Amino acid sequence: DAGVIQSPRHEVTEMGQEVTLRCKPISGHNSLFWYRQTMMRGLELLIYFNNNVPIDDSGMPEDRFSAKMPNASFSTLKIQPSEPRDSAVYFCASNEQGLPNTEAFFGQGTRLTVV
Amino acid sequence: SQKIEQNSEALNIQEGKTATLTCNYTNYSPAYLQWYRQDPGRGPVFLLLIRENEKEKRKERLKVTFDTTLKQSLFHITASQPADSATYLCALDPTGANNLFFGTGTRLTVIP
Repeated sequence: DAGVIQSPRHEVTEMGQEVTLRCKPISGHNSLFWYRQTMMRGLELLIYFNNNVPIDDSGMPEDRFSAKMPNASFSTLKIQPSEPRDSAVYFCASNEQGLPNTEAFFGQGTRLTVV
Repeated sequence: SQKIEQNSEALNIQEGKTATLTCNYTNYSPAYLQWYRQDPGRGPVFLLLIRENEKEKRKERLKVTFDTTLKQSLFHITASQPADSATYLCALDPTGANNLFFGTGTRLTVIP
């Protein structure tokens, strides 16, 4: 398996524009996580899906952020409208819930810069 | 509020020495704790998991301890090498719901 695949790797956009980040989890994994990493706040959990259903979105910072998982092999994180303070590295991770205490597998991340 | 703190933002040690990193947490009672390694420009990579009923776990040159009374985990790298230079993150699942929350990380530099 190629691991968790995120696209794009880098995104530069102007303030106010819509941004869509994409993630393909590892085949067979039924849990998917979106994280945001900044120097100030570290790695923050934004939202967590299990079997394509959002379980906990309490980490989503504002209504400008939304995430979907239409099927087991694809998820998106959308920011509309984007702001400079959204600049960060966004990671997607997946694992197989149901097994006790399983590790999370991370993608390479998307570095977002909002100017 | 719930917190996961790693003792220092950066740690420099001489090659061959043992690096010790600390992870402290408050207001949690996790069933397990994990440690990850993150290299620049990459996502975190899992290293070790230790359960609440385990005092110590080893994997090659890595050793993790877990003290649920002190609410602390220690991560040791023995015979450190320059290739061990990276950021190390501790993570725990506070509710058992498979949500992993991470500490802020410690950037380790091993000096040749």
